[in-house]
Amino acid sequence: QKEVEQNSGPLSVPEGAIASLNCTYSDRVSQSFFWYRQYSGKSPELIMSIYSNGDKEDGRFTAQLNKASQYVSLLIRDSQPSDSATYLCAVNAPNTDKLIFGTGTRLQVFP
Amino acid sequence: GAVVSQHPSRVICKSGTSVKIECRSLDFQATTMFWYRQFPKKSLMLMATSNEGSKATYEQGVEKDKFLINHASLTLSTLTVTSAHPEDSSFYICSAENYNEQFFGPGTRLTVL
Repeated sequence: QKEVEQNSGPLSVPEGAIASLNCTYSDRVSQSFFWYRQYSGKSPELIMSIYSNGDKEDGRFTAQLNKASQYVSLLIRDSQPSDSATYLCAVNAPNTDKLIFGTGTRLQVFP
Repeated sequence: GAVVSQHPSRVICKSGTSVKIECRSLDFQATTMFWYRQFPKKSLMLMATSNEGSKATYEQGVEKDKFLINHASLTLSTLTVTSAHPEDSSFYICSAENYNEQFFGPGTRLTVL
């Protein structure tokens, strides 16, 4: 079983819609969760971090964490073509500073 | 805030040469930096954790004598790919830790001919 799992996509949504990206992780003791956006040929950019159960909102982005079910999701409201990228879910490796990355979900927002 | 730079952004070299890549945290101090590599359409692979003032910790399967890491100050870590070969061609990305979050540099694309 992979430690951090994401659907590779592509997830295609129309402009203006809500994009929902999901991620599950295997280690129950993980405490820190992150979403990164990576455009093709570029390095990852931190979008959101979340540490507690529930929702965390930042502009058009909402991260949701459910530790009991071991999943974390990212919602993007009013999706724009510029949101088209690969979204990486990352989870801290317990007792280390290291991050474990999922393979990413490719999002396509079409006009 | 939390800006990380990398230099060079792109390098092409002949097989057998060594290449040094610099990673700098520009507006914060980073005790810990990380080095990743990424192949096309693949996810990030952690190579090593770089700690200021101490030896780097390498991931399993990463040759420490081939990928030399030095973290001499709180704002600079370097990765040297020694005796590079075509199979070392990849996208190398560093990150720096700031308050439990990792911020990535723009990456260095290495092509070994």
